[in-house]
Amino acid sequence: RKEVEQDPGPFNVPEGATVAFNCTYSNSASQSFFWYRQDCRKEPKLLMSVYSSGNEDGRFTAQLNRASQYISLLIRDSKLSDSATYLCVVLLSGTYKYIFGTGTRLKVLA
Amino acid sequence: DARVTQTPRHKVTEMGQEVTMRCQPILGHNTVFWYRQTMMQGLELLAYFRNRAPLDDSGMPKDRFSAEMPDATLATLKIQPSEPRDSAVYFCASGLSSYEQYFGPGTRLTVT
Repeated sequence: RKEVEQDPGPFNVPEGATVAFNCTYSNSASQSFFWYRQDCRKEPKLLMSVYSSGNEDGRFTAQLNRASQYISLLIRDSKLSDSATYLCVVLLSGTYKYIFGTGTRLKVLA
Repeated sequence: DARVTQTPRHKVTEMGQEVTMRCQPILGHNTVFWYRQTMMQGLELLAYFRNRAPLDDSGMPKDRFSAEMPDATLATLKIQPSEPRDSAVYFCASGLSSYEQYFGPGTRLTVT
């Protein structure tokens, strides 16, 4: 079983739709959580950190459920430019060891 | 706009050859990571350094891979001898704290 699991998708949604991705992690020693975005043939870029209380950045909302060991990302009013692969990332406690999920691919359709 | 740079951007080589990939972290960053990305496995952490000291290279095949930081401005990843299964995109990333890392554009390696 992978340490960080994501539904690979693709999620095909129309412009303006709301879409949500989930991610589960297996290591309870996981300390910090992030969502990264990766465009085709480009490097991953940090989208947002995920805080225990949940956090929002414009159209993006991230939630963390430590008891169930899952993280979610909600995108509202999706744009064509949101089309990308979204990577769930976990940082293990006391280390700099980042564990990446294999990503969820999103296609926003006109 | 500070960026992580990697060279070469593309490398095609024959099985058995040595491959060296280079990374220049963002000036002032003290943590450097090497990742490998394939379609099947996704992004895998190979090794990372803190203040130029290797902290963890457990993700790296020891018999053929080696990672070093000869100075604060250069990190290298070597494969010797290379094999077709090493074909992947190799990313370097750097950061200043445990909550951020900035990725370079990657080296796309093809071993035939």
